[in-house]
Amino acid sequence: GAVVSQHPSWVICKSGTSVKIECRSLDFQATTMFWYRQFPKQSLMLMATSNEGSKATYEQGVEKDKFLINHASLTLSTLTVTSAHPEDSSFYICSARGIPGTGPYEQYFGPGTRLTVT
Amino acid sequence: KNQVEQSPQSLIILEGKNCTLQCNYTVSPFSNLRWYKQDTGRGPVSLTIMTFSENTKSNGRYTATLDADTKQSSLHITASQLSDSASYICVASFNYGQNFVFGPGTRLSVLP
Repeated sequence: GAVVSQHPSWVICKSGTSVKIECRSLDFQATTMFWYRQFPKQSLMLMATSNEGSKATYEQGVEKDKFLINHASLTLSTLTVTSAHPEDSSFYICSARGIPGTGPYEQYFGPGTRLTVT
Repeated sequence: KNQVEQSPQSLIILEGKNCTLQCNYTVSPFSNLRWYKQDTGRGPVSLTIMTFSENTKSNGRYTATLDADTKQSSLHITASQLSDSASYICVASFNYGQNFVFGPGTRLSVLP
């Protein structure tokens, strides 16, 4: 149980285009989803916290207009990288946390999405 | 300041050997501490989770310890295997689990 999926697993796009990454909790409802970015040989950096039905909370230094997050349902959150540039190339990982008292409350991570911007 | 430190930054051991990874945390109020294993190009996978009242927890060949007084945790890997090569990340949660801090990770390489 507590499986989180991401789609796509990897994507290559041209500079200036937008890319959408999906994060789904497959067997539990997630009131909160987190989006992370990870550069090679570095640890995960939290980008934003997304609560179902409300606006995401972004970490300091993360541009909310560039990284659009939508958490429209209890099982799906999306991250859209707008006007992508080569410096946005990274490994993007989401995690999902269930509803307190009804299921898994700890974070379960997706497999990640490798974004390469050319 | 809420933070997590891990040591060593990287470690190379031979297959079959044991090793211990360290984690020091400074978060308040402390909720729990988790160890994750992250294979290259994959998302982290939870190994153990401990609250302040637990001082040891095992998951197969992985044994985590927690000293809430000194705010230290360790992850001991027994009889290492090649598949143990990965990054091991310590994460401390606080504010009743609402907030958390990731450590920088320890990169373990197990050689044949």
